[in-house]
Amino acid sequence: KQEVTQIPAALSVPEGENLVLNCSFTDSAIYNLQWFRQDPGKGLTSLLLIQSSQREQTSGRLNASLDKSSGRSTLYIAASQPGDSATYLCAASNNAGNMLTFGGGTRLMVKP
Amino acid sequence: GAVVSQHPSRVICKSGTSVKIECRSLDFQATTMFWYRQFPKQSLMLMATSNEGSKATYEQGVEKDKFLINHASLTLSTLTVTSAHPEDSSFYICSADPAGGQETQYFGPGTRLLVL
Repeated sequence: KQEVTQIPAALSVPEGENLVLNCSFTDSAIYNLQWFRQDPGKGLTSLLLIQSSQREQTSGRLNASLDKSSGRSTLYIAASQPGDSATYLCAASNNAGNMLTFGGGTRLMVKP
Repeated sequence: GAVVSQHPSRVICKSGTSVKIECRSLDFQATTMFWYRQFPKQSLMLMATSNEGSKATYEQGVEKDKFLINHASLTLSTLTVTSAHPEDSSFYICSADPAGGQETQYFGPGTRLLVL
């Protein structure tokens, strides 16, 4: 059974800092891996989706990498802003049916 | 972009009552919808997979008779929490998988359930 772990669970940084969020998964036979953002009391917003054949995806200040062999993915946020404060969740899909296994999330606070 | 709505966004009910939560895909058809539960400061846990026109598939440990799921059309799935108890208080989120095999699910805004 797939297990997804995120480290750290919480992170507080000053504005402008570059930061890395980590995600690890136990079953490397993934179909894709996604990163989501969740604001308090809200649903999920998809940030980046990496197919199993890809190594990274970029969107603006966000860059996500995938290393299936080591069972790891990272989300890099450049020049962090207070508006980036949220919980970031990674999720692995093990089949084309899109069943997702979520990590515990990283609660990010970017201080002005 | 694809939009998924949930109704209600927040509900408070007395213990023993039943609560129905609706999940709608507003601008696309979804053959499959998923229901998740999220406790405070925890991640999303998949409860069940809902397929249009067929019975839902429940994850281990989720009582199908307590959490009734109906997916009567390609744009609507409902989750009914029957005889709710305080331990059912949680944040319930649905997602919809667009027909045609697209790669990502689209998530609803969630429903906050508080059982007194």
